[in-house]
Amino acid sequence: EVQLLESGGGLVQPGGSLRLSCAASGFTFSTYAMSWVRQAPGKGLEWVSGISASGGSTYYADSVKGRFTISRDKSKNTLYLQMNRLRGEDTAVYYCAKQQLVLNSWFDPWGQGTLVTVSS
Amino acid sequence: EIVLTQSPGTLSLSPGERATLSCRASQSISSSYLAWYQQRPGQAPRLLIYGASSRATGIPDRFSGSGSGSDFTLTISRLEPEDFAVYYCQQYGSSITFGQGTRLEIK
Repeated sequence: EVQLLESGGGLVQPGGSLRLSCAASGFTFSTYAMSWVRQAPGKGLEWVSGISASGGSTYYADSVKGRFTISRDKSKNTLYLQMNRLRGEDTAVYYCAKQQLVLNSWFDPWGQGTLVTVSS
Repeated sequence: EIVLTQSPGTLSLSPGERATLSCRASQSISSSYLAWYQQRPGQAPRLLIYGASSRATGIPDRFSGSGSGSDFTLTISRLEPEDFAVYYCQQYGSSITFGQGTRLEIK
């Protein structure tokens, strides 16, 4: 069974940093593209960042470009999201999601999410 | 960026009725690269449909997707109590964007 387990969320002050992790199991992690998708409280879904299966290509939404960095460690079957210079509008539940061989694909499955709250 | 507009914003129906949800794109989506998700309160989204009309593994056949170009539809043939949730469409033909969601509520 494919499982994705996020961790690392919490309360952080504006301008601060946080690193999210997503532990993957039940599939060959290095074969699939992965993404982070977030959902602000009471709002819809927003794609944040994606990484190719090899890790050689990364993509970001304009809203986080230059502040967030996505990476993956195939030896640990783990996806990461380093978030710097955090703002109030980054407050959201962050989901990691498995894609297909390529980044231009759907998300299945999703992790349970980790809440990031940016507030002083 | 391709903008997806879902309608209606809220749909009020009774169990056993048929639900029709719309997703319209600001430009044509290549190769019908469109997916639909269901999100129940407090849960992560769940994939229902990909490629505009292919049902994901384990999804009941009362869920069906159709459409091409810039107009897509999710149909739930006979609503079950567990189907009342929020539904999102997503395009992956040009970067990735989501619609704003349709809330399906019990009438």
